[in-house]
Amino acid sequence: QLVESGGGLVQPGGSLRVSCVASGFTLSNHEMNWVRQAPGRGLEWISHISSSGASTYYADSVRGRFTISRDIAKNSVFLQMNSLRVEDTAIYYCVRADDGYLHFDLWGQGALVTVSS
Amino acid sequence: QMAQSPSSLSASVGDRVTITCRASEGIGSFLAWYQQKAGKAPKLLIYAASILQSGVPSRFSGSSSGTEFTLAISNLQPEDVGTYYCQKYNSAPYTFGPGTKLEIK
Repeated sequence: QLVESGGGLVQPGGSLRVSCVASGFTLSNHEMNWVRQAPGRGLEWISHISSSGASTYYADSVRGRFTISRDIAKNSVFLQMNSLRVEDTAIYYCVRADDGYLHFDLWGQGALVTVSS
Repeated sequence: QMAQSPSSLSASVGDRVTITCRASEGIGSFLAWYQQKAGKAPKLLIYAASILQSGVPSRFSGSSSGTEFTLAISNLQPEDVGTYYCQKYNSAPYTFGPGTKLEIK
């Protein structure tokens, strides 16, 4: 399973780090992603890290502000969010990609991030 | 870009409904369908355009023709209420469709 933590209320321009702890599988065998959902809106993929950790990808909406990383020893994935904007308010889901077909097969319960003054 | 239609639909228990997703470029079979119920995380239904995820009822099915993909739900049940999303995962960005909200009459 995947369990996110670290959500909360932050002011515009501030920073926050969301964490995701994986259990029951090894991160080094899977690509991992972050997907967010603003209130009342659809799903938006925002970041990806390869199984080796060597490659990362970002949506245009967060590139240059957000950074995905992982700690294999802690079996954890992180999303560091800087220069936060009101429009970054959303539930942030940690999502595993299948190690064969690469579809998103396991989702966390989500962490709510609210950006407001 | 992933175009999805309709944006909403209402059907009766026992009906068959279809949702269509169109990719703006070729994505092979790298297309998945997810169901999201209110207040819950999305749940994988179908991957590789037509492979049913383990544990998903067989009344759900997926098909494709070129860049057009279809999710069909036969014998609609009350628990099928929710929002359905398609997603391409051939390469980043792993774009989701805008969603289809399904209601029961």
